[in-house]
Amino acid sequence: EPEVTQTPSHQVTQMGQEVILRCVPISNHLYFYWYRQILGQKVEFLVSFYNNEISEKSEIFDDQFSVERPDGSNFTLKIRSTKLEDSAMYFCASSGGEETQYFGPGTRLLVL
Amino acid sequence: AQSVTQLGSHVSVSEGALVLLRCNYSSSVPPYLFWYVQYPNQGLQLLLKYTSAATLVKGINGFEAEFKKSETSFHLTKPSAHMSDAAEYFCAVSESRQGNLIFGKGTKLSVKP
Repeated sequence: EPEVTQTPSHQVTQMGQEVILRCVPISNHLYFYWYRQILGQKVEFLVSFYNNEISEKSEIFDDQFSVERPDGSNFTLKIRSTKLEDSAMYFCASSGGEETQYFGPGTRLLVL
Repeated sequence: AQSVTQLGSHVSVSEGALVLLRCNYSSSVPPYLFWYVQYPNQGLQLLLKYTSAATLVKGINGFEAEFKKSETSFHLTKPSAHMSDAAEYFCAVSESRQGNLIFGKGTKLSVKP
């Protein structure tokens, strides 16, 4: 069964460093999403992406964040200058146009 | 604005007992409603979804949920809990087919032998 994959599974970085989180959505999907879950809190929407552009973003998704689909398979989330409060589990999801979003296993980011 | 409220951050049941996890939502339009399950150190797996068809929705692993518009609820049930059901369960709402999901805070289900 096709699935969303994410790399790395864990990343530790120093405050102020740039990180890139990678996702490979399900191959025929067209809609892509990033969510995050701070430890002990609810899953929060960050951004959605369709047709090579951002379709919606939350107030969390400020200028420090960017997304890109650099080729036909990857979907990346970049955090330019990480802060302590960026420590969270980041989930990628994709959808083929119907209602269901399929989630990857997540990348646990720890900012020191 | 959409929101989801899950009553009870932690629910504990005995194996074989009924599971009832509560979810109430607010939405300005007919919503799409979802239940996801998260096992420890794993991602979110779709259990079931409501998309304006039948109000009683059956999902995987014996779970089902009923959409009640008058109560703005979408509670998740399972007649008989199994040890493998221990996980965290998230209710989510969306106002469009490809729209972002708004999640509740989650309910951690424990199953006692």
